[in-house]
Amino acid sequence: DIQLTQSPSFLSASVGDRVTITCRASQGISSYLAWYQQKPGKAPKLLIYAASTLQSGVPSRFSGSGSGTEFTLTISSLQPEDFATYYCQQLNSYSWGFGQGTKVEIK
Amino acid sequence: EVQLVQSGAEVKKPGESLKISCKGSGYSFTSYWIGWVRQMPGKGLEWMGIIYPGDSDTRYSPSFQGQVTISADKSISTAYLQWSSLKASDTAMYYCARQGGTVDYWGQGTLVTVSS
Repeated sequence: DIQLTQSPSFLSASVGDRVTITCRASQGISSYLAWYQQKPGKAPKLLIYAASTLQSGVPSRFSGSGSGTEFTLTISSLQPEDFATYYCQQLNSYSWGFGQGTKVEIK
Repeated sequence: EVQLVQSGAEVKKPGESLKISCKGSGYSFTSYWIGWVRQMPGKGLEWMGIIYPGDSDTRYSPSFQGQVTISADKSISTAYLQWSSLKASDTAMYYCARQGGTVDYWGQGTLVTVSS
């Protein structure tokens, strides 16, 4: 099984801050990586797929990069509605896997 | 509009059986995989398995193989997740989601509570 490790697990930041979350895969997954945002009591929402493609309707302050084993999600200027938990996900040969999540809280 | 609509919350006792559903609409149900994801209270997302409704090809996470059964009825565009004997540790929110090139649409979730 491919393991995904996110860092940090918890992040405290202020509105307007630039935030970066990292996801490392235990083996190469090319660009088969997505990022999701989840708010309490809600289903995850797709932000980025294929490592760097912004999903339609997602604000441009979100961006993704990386390939192989190391990936990043960047929020260029954190907004109040961005405080949530973020997950990376890999799609590989008919299986999915998720990172453990990064909770972004207000400083 | 693509939608995945899940069945309502369930409260069950240990040892009981349960089948929850996920109905797709607004797209060709037989052309996309449907996956199931567990989220235990206060915890992260765990992939359980996927099914291709077109031919019922099903793959399970090793962690859930033998613990649940995933099925689909393409005639009514509905996927299912079932348990034959629930445990208290099955208490969680369960999500279905559609996979094409990525996992793009999610159901609203079904909360399953198992308590004596």
